[in-house]
Amino acid sequence: EPEVTQTPSHQVTQMGQEVILRCVPISNHLYFYWYRQILGQKVEFLVSFYNNEISEKSEIFDDQFSVERPDGSNFTLKIRSTKLEDSAMYFCASRLAQYTQYFGPGTRLTVL
Amino acid sequence: DQQVKQNSPSLSVQEGRISILNCDYTNSMFDYFLWYKKYPAEGPTFLISISSIKDKNEDGRFTVFLNKSAKHLSLHIVPSQPGDSAVYFCAARIGGADGLTFGKGTHLIIQP
Repeated sequence: EPEVTQTPSHQVTQMGQEVILRCVPISNHLYFYWYRQILGQKVEFLVSFYNNEISEKSEIFDDQFSVERPDGSNFTLKIRSTKLEDSAMYFCASRLAQYTQYFGPGTRLTVL
Repeated sequence: DQQVKQNSPSLSVQEGRISILNCDYTNSMFDYFLWYKKYPAEGPTFLISISSIKDKNEDGRFTVFLNKSAKHLSLHIVPSQPGDSAVYFCAARIGGADGLTFGKGTHLIIQP
């Protein structure tokens, strides 16, 4: 069964550094998403991406964040200058035409 | 800002019995609801969904009920199995938007 994959599974970085989280969505899916879950809190929507542009973003998704689909398979989330509060699990998701979103296993980002 | 509420942080059910997980919402604009299951260190796994035009959807052991007037939905698992032990998230989508709004989750524990 096709699935969303994410790399790395765990990323440790120093405050102020840039990180890129990578995702390979399900191959025929058209809509792509990033969510995050801070430890002990709910899963929060960050951004959705369709047809090579951002279709929706939350208040969390400020100028520090950017997304890109550099080729036909990868979907990336970049955090320009990481802060301690960016420490969280980051989930990528994708969907086809129907509303059901399928999630990847997540990347645990630890900012020191 | 808890638009989707799961008021029970945990629920313990005996194997073979029915598990009922509840979710309340406040935003009348939600038109699609989903249940996800999550094991530790994994991403949310889609279980079942329901459109706001329906009041019930069934898939094997899983049934979701929607009561729009009460802004309440529930997930029934019958019979409960040990592998059902996980955190269950209720999520909702606003019509015309794309990002999902999640509840905080309910940790279901199936007792042998």
